[in-house]
Amino acid sequence: DTAVSQTPKYLVTQMGNDKSIKCEQNLGHDTMYWYKQDSKKFLKIMFSYNNKELIINETVPNRFSPKSPDKAHLNLHINSLELGDSAVYFCASSRRRGHTDTQYFGPGTRLTVL
Amino acid sequence: DAKTTQPPSMDCAEGRAANLPCNHSTISGNEYVYWYRQIHSQGPQYIIHGLKNNETNEMASLIITEDRKSSTLILPHATLRDTAVYYCIVRSILSGGGADGLTFGKGTHLIIQP
Repeated sequence: DTAVSQTPKYLVTQMGNDKSIKCEQNLGHDTMYWYKQDSKKFLKIMFSYNNKELIINETVPNRFSPKSPDKAHLNLHINSLELGDSAVYFCASSRRRGHTDTQYFGPGTRLTVL
Repeated sequence: DAKTTQPPSMDCAEGRAANLPCNHSTISGNEYVYWYRQIHSQGPQYIIHGLKNNETNEMASLIITEDRKSSTLILPHATLRDTAVYYCIVRSILSGGGADGLTFGKGTHLIIQP
C-alpha cells in the first residue's frame, strides 16, 4: 500500500483555470505538508497542516489554498493559474509537527500551465 | 536553519562505498543533521538523521565530526538504484521554520557507475 498518494500524477491546464491536487496518507499521521519543486529543482515548503492549524510560508500567493476534509487528506486548490505555477508539487506527512519526525513524501504531481 | 554546503555531483562505482560530505560550519547546538534523497521523478525519501553521535540504519551510516561542523553520509555498498540527489539538511529542535517544513538546498547528485 502506498503511504502517501497524490492524484493526478500529471496535470496540464490553461492559464486562468482553477485546479486541485489531492493528497492522502494512510500512515495515521497528524501533520501534512505541501512542497513545490520548480524547474531549477529547488524544493520549498508551502504549507503545513496539523490539527486544523495551518501554517503558511509567507512567500506563497493566496491563490493557493490547502483544504483538509479529514486528518488523512490535504488537498491543494489553486485559483487563477499562472505560467509560473508550473512545477512539481509534493505532498508529505509526518507523525506530528516536530524536528525529529521523518517526513514521508508522495510521488509528486507535475503541473504544467500553458 | 543553518546553511549546508555539498558538492554538486559525485561518481561512485557500483559495489563500493559512497561517501557524501556535507559542511554545516554554522550549525548550532540545537540543530540535527538530516539526510534525504530524491531519485529521479520520485518524492524525497528519508535516509537518516543524527545530533552528535554517529548513526547507522539499514540504508546508511552517518558520521558527524566532533565539532559538528561537517558530516558524511556513507552508503556501504552502492547499487545503481542509489543514483539520486542527496540532500543534507540541518534542522532546529526549537523551530521547524516558517511552516515546519524541511529546507532543501541543491544537494549532491550521486551517480553510481556500473
